Amino acid sequence: EDQVTQSPEALRLQEGESSSLNCSYTVSGLRGLFWYRQDPGKGPEFLFTLYSAGEEKEKERLKATLTKKESFLHITAPKPEDSATYLCAVQAGVSFQKLVFGTGTRLLVSP
Amino acid sequence: ETGVTQSPTHLIKTRGQQVTLRCSSQSGHNTVSWYQQALGQGPQFIFQYYREEENGRGNFPPRFSGLQFPNYSSELNVNALELDDSALYLCASSLSSGTGGELFFGEGSRLTVL
Repeated sequence: EDQVTQSPEALRLQEGESSSLNCSYTVSGLRGLFWYRQDPGKGPEFLFTLYSAGEEKEKERLKATLTKKESFLHITAPKPEDSATYLCAVQAGVSFQKLVFGTGTRLLVSP
Repeated sequence: ETGVTQSPTHLIKTRGQQVTLRCSSQSGHNTVSWYQQALGQGPQFIFQYYREEENGRGNFPPRFSGLQFPNYSSELNVNALELDDSALYLCASSLSSGTGGELFFGEGSRLTVL
């Protein structure tokens, strides 16, 4: 069964204090690994898709990387507006777009 | 370009009732998926619709059903509501039904079952 585990569950950072979020996965035939940001009471906002080990993508203060077993979301010099829950999801080798999500990492950045 | 819109944003039902949630997909997107997100959990896949047909389903009972219309908008229907159905229901649209595409989510419909 496809599975995604995210750690830590919650992370508190000071503004400017860089850190990384982890997403470990087991899946039969990875078609894509997705990162989303979700604010309280809102729908997930798309950040990145990674398709193969070694791939990296960047957007502002965020950088996502992928290995064969896990993905990292690196946050460089975070700001309070980066506070949110970050969700990781995998898409397995099926013919339709089923995403399997982890439970997320709740990030709080204090000024 | 309009994003994914969902209605209603909030609703309260009692156990045993039926509910219909609606979704308009992002302009140009022909595939719609529905997810259930319980409090503190990640979203769980309910089903996907492509060209008005259900072409993928998660581990949800038959009382969860859906429709997709020719304009690619969609409905999620839940019959015989149970307390555990209380959740945020998310609609997502994409350009194709195949794998690897990016999904864009709406703001969700918060359902409370009393």
